Amino acid sequence: SQQGEEDPQALSIQEGENATMNCSYKTSINNLQWYRQNSGRGLVHLILIRSNEREKHSGRLRVTLDTSKKSSSLLITASRAADTASYFCATSLSGGYNKLIFGAGTRLAVHP
Amino acid sequence: GAGVSQSPSNKVTEKGKDVELRCDPISGHTALYWYRQSLGQGLEFLIYFQGNSAPDKSGLPSDRFSAERTGGSVSTLTIQRTQQEDSAVYLCASSPPNTDTQYFGPGTRLTVL
Repeated sequence: SQQGEEDPQALSIQEGENATMNCSYKTSINNLQWYRQNSGRGLVHLILIRSNEREKHSGRLRVTLDTSKKSSSLLITASRAADTASYFCATSLSGGYNKLIFGAGTRLAVHP
Repeated sequence: GAGVSQSPSNKVTEKGKDVELRCDPISGHTALYWYRQSLGQGLEFLIYFQGNSAPDKSGLPSDRFSAERTGGSVSTLTIQRTQQEDSAVYLCASSPPNTDTQYFGPGTRLTVL
């Protein structure tokens, strides 16, 4: 079974709006990462947040992590049509090496 | 610099045939991973190589699947006697030492008829 589950499964917004995606996981983690995938091919790493961090920013991206609730959120501000993609959270489990467990992803569509 | 490359980009095969998928990781990356992604789904971990250590094969779905990594660099994923349920995109990723970020290749789309 998958460790991470994203919510919502699909999100449709207009350019300029903010997009928020959520991820929940089940077991203790070393870190949580967000990746983007265009057109069902290779994934691109967006941001990594460690278990002892609560918030992290990178450009228009803001990630939060609540280890007590075993959840994370990814906020994309001022979205653009080019942000249209699938977004996946991936967890690196405590006590193990860097094998990532991926969720099923959120499909984001940003309309001009 | 060059990223992770995979070949072929697309492979169509007949049920029962064997296929080999290749991954060239980024130079200097010691860790290499194979994942499988079925249509509209997340990534399923298959196998992990780290340096000269024994690989973690815990994600391989059956004994028809095997993988090698020669010389700590190029990796080949082999699927024997392919089945229609093997149809998916197979993704390879690599990581440099002491880094948690994985760098993905473009994937190989396998279609088993």
